[in-house]
Amino acid sequence: DTEVTQTPKHLVMGMTNKKSLKCEQHMGHRAMYWYKQKAKKPPELMFVYSYEKLSINESVPSRFSPECPNSSLLNLHLHALQPEDSALYLCASSVQQGSYEQYFGPGTRLTVT
Amino acid sequence: AQKVTQAQTEISVVEKEDVTLDCVYETRDTTYYLFWYKQPPSGELVFLIRRNSFDEQNEISGRYSWNFQKSTSSFNFTITASQVVDSAVYFCALSVAPFNAGKSTFGDGTTLTVKP
Repeated sequence: DTEVTQTPKHLVMGMTNKKSLKCEQHMGHRAMYWYKQKAKKPPELMFVYSYEKLSINESVPSRFSPECPNSSLLNLHLHALQPEDSALYLCASSVQQGSYEQYFGPGTRLTVT
Repeated sequence: AQKVTQAQTEISVVEKEDVTLDCVYETRDTTYYLFWYKQPPSGELVFLIRRNSFDEQNEISGRYSWNFQKSTSSFNFTITASQVVDSAVYFCALSVAPFNAGKSTFGDGTTLTVKP
């Protein structure tokens, strides 16, 4: 099973709302990633978790708060977002952190109003 | 610093044509990995291939083939007898081991449209 699932598929939120994105994989991968992708652009790395510990934070604003409750789950908590945060948010996993192929979920399309 | 250039922004072909997507990379490191991902309209990136810098053998997988040439720093991707389902954005990516720790540099992508 090479599937990464993400919920919800679509999310519309106001700038004062708090919401969470969820990601799950059951491949036994020990590295998980959050990416942000704007239209017609490549994905931009936000966070990397390795063995459930935050390994990389690409200077992401604090209104994005990641969490890795266990080796299969990855959350992204959203609070006080701005309209420019509207994008496709992709989760990915790989066997370990490093130069390994990443398996991506279908993404959550976020609109901030 | 690393860089990946996909000079072709958009390509349009008719079904059954062969098409080559170009990828040129820059790195000073001797150990690195190159990837191709496909992103169909549904949104998720699909892993296609991973190649390390010490393996210059070309690879074929069904209608897909990859040509890796270190001399020209290129890792080109050819689809033979293209099909409508091949329509997608294709990203080439570079990862330098081990210091980049999973951070990949992506090209800007090539949008391939295959018309019936």
